[in-house]
Amino acid sequence: QKEVEQDPGPLSVPEGAIVSLNCTYSNSAFQYFMWYRQYSRKGPELLMYTYSSGNKEDGRFTAQVDKSSKYISLFIRDSQPSDSATYLCAMSAGTGNQFYFGTGTSLTVIP
Amino acid sequence: DAGITQSPRHKVTETGTPVTLRCHQTENHRYMYWYRQDPGHGLRLIHYSYGVKDTDKGEVSDGYSVSRSKTEDFLLTLESATSSQTSVYFCAISESVRRETQYFGPGTRLLVL
Repeated sequence: QKEVEQDPGPLSVPEGAIVSLNCTYSNSAFQYFMWYRQYSRKGPELLMYTYSSGNKEDGRFTAQVDKSSKYISLFIRDSQPSDSATYLCAMSAGTGNQFYFGTGTSLTVIP
Repeated sequence: DAGITQSPRHKVTETGTPVTLRCHQTENHRYMYWYRQDPGHGLRLIHYSYGVKDTDKGEVSDGYSVSRSKTEDFLLTLESATSSQTSVYFCAISESVRRETQYFGPGTRLLVL
């Protein structure tokens, strides 16, 4: 079983839609949860970073962590064509520990 | 890309030849990482460094070696390239304190024929 599972999609939505991206994990020791956005042929860029459970909001993006269900989500409100990219979740057990990445979900926002 | 460059950006090589990829940072971050990204596998850690001359293995280190003689440079060497090492290689850096967040370079596309 992989440490982190992520539906690869592809996901296609109309502009303005709310997008929900999700990851599940198996290691209950994970405490740090990250979302990266990766445009085609570019390196991943850090979008959101949360510690432990709860929600974190940054503009149109909301990251949600449910440690009891071992489930994390990224919500994108009012999606834009510029949001079209692959979204990677990542997590670790703590400072100094290895990161584990999901395989990424490909998102296309149609104008 | 947070002051990270990778060279070369693209490389085609033949099986059995040695290959060295370079990562250079201008952020003076202590930690540097090499990942490979493959379809269906996501990003997998090859090696990482926690200081000059201090390195350790990651999840998929077989067939790879690394060196770090200066804070700003982290080299990844494929001693004898194989077709299974065809991949996109990313370097990443993180600050000493906030290692939970990593910043990635633009990547190197390597094709081993």
